[in-house]
Amino acid sequence: DQQVKQNSPSLSVQEGRISILNCDYTNSMFDYFLWYKKYPAEGPTFLISISSIKDKNEDGRFTVFLNKSAKHLSLHIVPSQPGDSAVYFCAGRGFYGGSQGNLIFGKGTKLSVKP
Amino acid sequence: DSGVTQTPKHLITATGQRVTLRCSPRSGDLSVYWYQQSLDQGLQFLIQYYNGEERAKGNILERFSAQQFPDLHSELNLSSLELGDSALYFCASSPRGQKTDTQYFGPGTRLTVL
Repeated sequence: DQQVKQNSPSLSVQEGRISILNCDYTNSMFDYFLWYKKYPAEGPTFLISISSIKDKNEDGRFTVFLNKSAKHLSLHIVPSQPGDSAVYFCAGRGFYGGSQGNLIFGKGTKLSVKP
Repeated sequence: DSGVTQTPKHLITATGQRVTLRCSPRSGDLSVYWYQQSLDQGLQFLIQYYNGEERAKGNILERFSAQQFPDLHSELNLSSLELGDSALYFCASSPRGQKTDTQYFGPGTRLTVL
């Protein structure tokens, strides 16, 4: 049972354009959603999060939108830069394994930003 | 650099063997998490420790065990290894192990079971 789904394994965009990464979830108990970015040979790095009571959170070039009724969230990167090329993981945070706070990740979307 | 260190970076071993992966959390962080990333899977939560005590368990096999030592470093022990255990194993740490904490990930250990 995959509670967090990233249905697009890869995405390619032109430098300067908008990148939109999508994520769907099934678990209504998630109280926070997070996006992590991962470069090859490195661990995931926290990027941005959104509380389940909000519908938008913005941090510089990164904006996350949450549609609770559709159980869908998206990460927008504007403008996209070649350095944004990485794998992006969506994660839900909530009660899991008897304790709160643990993250359930999607399989990731590989973003390639072409100069 | 997240401040979380993991050793070794790469590990190649045979089926049936036992290995130990090591993680040192960021200075001051009390909680450690272990995740597994297989070839076609996202990161799967395995287990969490807080100040030496197990706090939460996820999809951790009985062949796997972990512990957190008084100096807060953690070890993940994998035994009776199978081909399917080949994966990237990440450790993350957070200050208090609470849900509001950001988890900081180490670079991972790549385990290959032949």
